Amino acid sequence: DGGITQSPKYLFRKEGQNVTLSCEQNLNHDAMYWYRQDPGQGLRLIYYSQIVNDFQKGDIAEGYSVSREKKESFPLTVTSAQKNPTAFYLCASSIGDREAPTEAFFGQGTRLTVV
Amino acid sequence: AQKITQTQPGMFVQEKEAVTLDCTYDTSDQSYGLFWYKQPSSGEMIFLIYQGSYDEQNATEGRYSLNFQKARKSANLVISASQLGDSAMYFCAMRDREAGNTGKLIFGQGTTLQVKP
Repeated sequence: DGGITQSPKYLFRKEGQNVTLSCEQNLNHDAMYWYRQDPGQGLRLIYYSQIVNDFQKGDIAEGYSVSREKKESFPLTVTSAQKNPTAFYLCASSIGDREAPTEAFFGQGTRLTVV
Repeated sequence: AQKITQTQPGMFVQEKEAVTLDCTYDTSDQSYGLFWYKQPSSGEMIFLIYQGSYDEQNATEGRYSLNFQKARKSANLVISASQLGDSAMYFCAMRDREAGNTGKLIFGQGTTLQVKP
């Protein structure tokens, strides 16, 4: 089945540590996105990538980094510079064409907690 | 800047009744797209329905329909014949056109819907 796989589902991080969240898709989508969701809130964009080896900052990129070495994969690293990383992280992908009325598909999310 | 506003933090509906979730938007674009997503307690975001700004008819997908009023900049989601499984958080979203050739979305704050048996 085609879809987006995020791992792990739950992740605990100690203060000062970097952690990497995995996102893999087999939908052959060009565009991939990382969103952050805080309790009772909507989603906010962290980073997005339209093509391999290229990515852009979203609205809340500080303290995060990404890479896009393969079309299928878009890992997110939460660095120690991110002051309040406890949140729910969602990865998404889409065809990427601005004229195409297609929806974004989401993974099941990773819940990150700082301990 | 584009913005999505959902003014109902929480809603209750009796099973088998219809419910309307409100969404208003702000954009200076002439061409845009509006989406509704459902987020159950498991956390995944499930696409429900899409409305393009130039679509002449309101979008429908099974029990979901979109009451699109372009002049009022509203795109309310109507769920008919509510089921217990409809209990979830619902998000209205707009495709962000200002960032150029992207499919990234701007989300509202969400509405939590509880269906009562």
